[in-house]
Amino acid sequence: GAGVSQSPRYKVAKRGQDVALRCDPISGHVSLFWYQQALGQGPEFLTYFQNEAQLDKSGLPSDRFFAERPEGSVSTLKIQRTQQEDSAVYLCASSSTGSKETQYFGPGTRLLVL
Amino acid sequence: QKEVEQDPGPLSVPEGAIVSLNCTYSNSAFQYFMWYRQYSRKGPELLMYTYSSGNKEDGRFTAQVDKSSKYISLFIRDSQPSDSATYLCAMSDSGNTPLVFGKGTRLSVIA
Repeated sequence: GAGVSQSPRYKVAKRGQDVALRCDPISGHVSLFWYQQALGQGPEFLTYFQNEAQLDKSGLPSDRFFAERPEGSVSTLKIQRTQQEDSAVYLCASSSTGSKETQYFGPGTRLLVL
Repeated sequence: QKEVEQDPGPLSVPEGAIVSLNCTYSNSAFQYFMWYRQYSRKGPELLMYTYSSGNKEDGRFTAQVDKSSKYISLFIRDSQPSDSATYLCAMSDSGNTPLVFGKGTRLSVIA
């Protein structure tokens, strides 16, 4: 079946621009996670949802970052007034219900802020 | 000190070698342990998943968890050039919650 998809795959933004990154989880998956992966580093947690409820946003680096999942399926991560330090790969993962469910990752969106 | 430590390598081995990758962690509440493989410009792909301590084997891959030492390992037998990738350890304290990742170890298997 279809995996997690993300769009766009690549995004170049000028500093100060707003960007929106989209994640389509695996159909029926209840949980959705956003991670940020800097070059040469492991992914770092940003925020996650269970259905439409945002359960934890403690990893969002600043109030310029905002995520939503209004209908409990597709999610959007928005970054306002982008800065050069926002340049990274943004990964989305989804999982089904159950305590031992694993997270399946999308290919990521590579954001470059100039 | 980060919660999860992983030597970033790079690690280069000849084809057919046994590869040993490992991570240490500081949070004793971690109970779920995973190894992901990430090819260049791709998302992480789950390789192994272990709950609590013990060993798990799947084909050429073996994962070990030693909670008393806060140490996890991944062994790859008969390594192949197609195993060349970055290997990420990940863990969490509760099921289906945000993962804490290591930095990743870059592995090259030379034919």
